[in-house]
Amino acid sequence: QVTLRESGPALVKPTQTLTLTCTFSGFSLTTSGMSVSWIRQSPGKAPEWLALVDWDDNKYYSPSLRTRLTISKDTSKNQVVLTMTNMDPVDTATYYCVRQSSETYSAFDLWGQGTMVTVSS
Amino acid sequence: SYELTQPPSVSVSPGQTARIPCSADALPNQYVYWYQQKSGQAPVLVIFKDSERPSGIPERFSGSTSGTTVTLTISGVQAEDEAVYYCQSADISATVTFGGGTKLTVL
Repeated sequence: QVTLRESGPALVKPTQTLTLTCTFSGFSLTTSGMSVSWIRQSPGKAPEWLALVDWDDNKYYSPSLRTRLTISKDTSKNQVVLTMTNMDPVDTATYYCVRQSSETYSAFDLWGQGTMVTVSS
Repeated sequence: SYELTQPPSVSVSPGQTARIPCSADALPNQYVYWYQQKSGQAPVLVIFKDSERPSGIPERFSGSTSGTTVTLTISGVQAEDEAVYYCQSADISATVTFGGGTKLTVL
């Protein structure tokens, strides 16, 4: 069974750096065609893709947030970590860890339950 | 970059067919995907590669493309299909775009 679980702080202060960890099971990020993305969703809004790391350690970022994001993977721990610097109240959202697979032609085929992050002083 | 435009809402009665369009100013010649999001839950993939259904998704869900408009069709809508539906695509540089979402109301 494939699962993804996000973990990290529920509350961060403005200007702080957010670090989120995705711990997954049931697949390997060393398998060709696999990747993991972070996607966030503000209340009542559409999802917003943030970043992706693939099996070959290629990394891609949202152009609008590129300067604030860093994504990395630890295949030995089955984890993907996202850091976002200079947090602002507008970054308040639910953050999802999501798998992409070549089996579904890079669709976001499995989502974690999400972790709610509030940015407030 | 490009945009994907969806109507904010669609309403149908149970048993009817719901069609949810997603139009692009210029589709990036990449596949389109559709997600269903029920209240308080994470999105679920219902269509990939324009018209393919993942395992476990009912046959009443289908996808089609015509020009720069892709359409999610739900035949024989059931009450459990009430949700927000998002289309999504990506350009050649892997930058992902989601549509604004369409709230499907089952009357």
